[in-house]
Amino acid sequence: DTEVTQTPKHLVMGMTNKKSLKCEQHMGHRAMYWYKQKAKKPPELMFVYSYEKLSINESVPSRFSPECPNSSLLNLHLHALQPEDSALYLCASSHNTEAFFGQGTRLTVV
Amino acid sequence: LAKTTQPISMDSYEGQEVNITCSHNNIATNDYITWYQQFPSQGPRFIIQGYKTKVTNEVASLFIPADRKSSTLSLPRVSLSDTAVYYCLVGARMNYGGSQGNLIFGKGTKLSVKP
Repeated sequence: DTEVTQTPKHLVMGMTNKKSLKCEQHMGHRAMYWYKQKAKKPPELMFVYSYEKLSINESVPSRFSPECPNSSLLNLHLHALQPEDSALYLCASSHNTEAFFGQGTRLTVV
Repeated sequence: LAKTTQPISMDSYEGQEVNITCSHNNIATNDYITWYQQFPSQGPRFIIQGYKTKVTNEVASLFIPADRKSSTLSLPRVSLSDTAVYYCLVGARMNYGGSQGNLIFGKGTKLSVKP
């Protein structure tokens, strides 16, 4: 199984809502990543987890809260988002060489 | 992490070989060079990775000169389905000690393949 599964595929939320994005991999990778990608722009790194510990936070606003419950799961909790946070959110996992990416969650904040 | 520079866009025709060059003048000794392909609204997909000289797999070749300040991704006989954005990434491999892997994306090259 070389898949990274992200759910949901699409999400529409209001600015006062709380929602969560989920990411799962069963490849035994111990590094997992969250990216944000706006249209026609490259993916922008948000967070890196290594051995279930947050190792990198690229100055992401606190309305985005990552969580790594175990080595296979990665969550991104969303609260009080702004319309400019609308984007494709990508999850990836890595085993020291190539990274595997999920298909992303298309988030729209209204 | 080393910064990369690629052409913004390239055009090609079906059946041609396409070479996309990436400049990474500040590459460090431990850095590897990795290329990803991305289609619209999908996650990037790994193509190839190398450290020096030449690497080849079933879909592409990667040429890295001795000074490692640049690299060239070669796609043989492209088809319409190769129309995508191609990203060159430079950085150290992820270590289990927690150091960041080579996953900072530059602006990429948008390849358009025409019939």
